[in-house]
Amino acid sequence: DVKVTQSSRYLVKRTGEKVFLECVQDMDHENMFWYRQDPGLGLRLIYFSYDVKMKEKGDIPEGYSVSREKKERFSLILESASTNQTSMYLCASTSDNEQFFGPGTRLTVL
Amino acid sequence: QKEVEQDPGPLSVPEGAIVSLNCTYSNSAFQYFMWYRQYSRKGPELLMYTYSSGNKEDGRFTAQVDKSSKYISLFIRDSQPSDSATYLCALNDYKLSFGAGTTVTVRA
Repeated sequence: DVKVTQSSRYLVKRTGEKVFLECVQDMDHENMFWYRQDPGLGLRLIYFSYDVKMKEKGDIPEGYSVSREKKERFSLILESASTNQTSMYLCASTSDNEQFFGPGTRLTVL
Repeated sequence: QKEVEQDPGPLSVPEGAIVSLNCTYSNSAFQYFMWYRQYSRKGPELLMYTYSSGNKEDGRFTAQVDKSSKYISLFIRDSQPSDSATYLCALNDYKLSFGAGTTVTVRA
């Protein structure tokens, strides 16, 4: 079974802090994605990566950056967290057209 | 206008009822149509997948695609309390675009 793991299930940070969300997949997938999920808005794509050191902006990249130094790991970085970044963050990796999701990190920014 | 529109509900039905979920979309480039199921405090998981107009059945689940109307549906027959979840439609051209998700509760 494909496994996508995320470093934290719940995280509480203060405004202005730098936040790292880590995602690891164990199936050698090339494509990895970061989404945020908010009530009424569904999943919105923040960034994605097709290969190591490759990254592409999604629909809402502002305030975020990413890092993909190794194929299995895709990190989402909030350079200076703000309250409007309080959300559920979901990482996914892709095989063909199926995306496999991690359990999510619920981030609260105070 | 969002690329994918989905009524967020919530939808509450008695056990055994048919659940009907729908999405509309605006981009004709979408080629693959999927339904994901998300249980509370979990990530979404793929439920069904199709790439052509028509119906696709998998047990109690039927996915329906009408490309001419840009309309997709998911039907759940003989619904069970274990079907209580949020259902998200997702459409793919070079990336996935998700609907907002419909929260479904099946009452025992």
